[in-house]
Amino acid sequence: EAGVAQSPRYKIIEKRQSVAFWCNPISGHATLYWYQQILGQGPKLLIQFQNNGVVDDSQLPKDRFSAERLKGVDSTLKIQPAKLEDSAVYLCASSEGPDSGTEAFFGQGTRLTVV
Amino acid sequence: TQLLEQSPQFLSIQEGENLTVYCNSSSVFSSLQWYRQEPGEGPVLLVTVVTGGEVKKLKRLTFQFGDARKDSSLHITAAQPGDTGLYLCAGAGLNSGYALNFGKGTSLLVTP
Repeated sequence: EAGVAQSPRYKIIEKRQSVAFWCNPISGHATLYWYQQILGQGPKLLIQFQNNGVVDDSQLPKDRFSAERLKGVDSTLKIQPAKLEDSAVYLCASSEGPDSGTEAFFGQGTRLTVV
Repeated sequence: TQLLEQSPQFLSIQEGENLTVYCNSSSVFSSLQWYRQEPGEGPVLLVTVVTGGEVKKLKRLTFQFGDARKDSSLHITAAQPGDTGLYLCAGAGLNSGYALNFGKGTSLLVTP
């Protein structure tokens, strides 16, 4: 079974530039998550989708971050404009559904460096 | 957002020692999961606990869910260098649509 695919693996941009990350979840998984993980810390939930609808985006900095999952499959996360403090690993995860206790499968992440 | 506090933040022990990692919250969770993450990889699920007071064992790892479903612990017996990694607890809450929120993690280093 193919895992969660993310691209690019690494990205370096200057502050105030824009960047987009792509995620392809495991086939059939209805729930998709985007997390931000700063070095040495646990993942911070940015947004959770159920199919193509948003379940939770309370921690998404909406003035600069946006995410979409138009057809309920692939998803993109965009930052515009980027700040130095956005340097982090952005992890995408998917699960079969939103039910409690469902395992989340993670991609390898995109490491973003803002200079 | 339901906050999860993990302790200790860092732990360095020698091979063969035992250790316990704690995950605490003031919120009640419908379930709690423990993940392990290695450098450059995403977290991988170790166990899910659902019932208050539940104890699960995975080889040398023992997981317990508190009776009130607000806290959990992970105990490792006779730690090995292969246990080195970042241990994360994550809770799913009914009020948040089962959004999976993580603690900050415990970074474990086991030296030979």
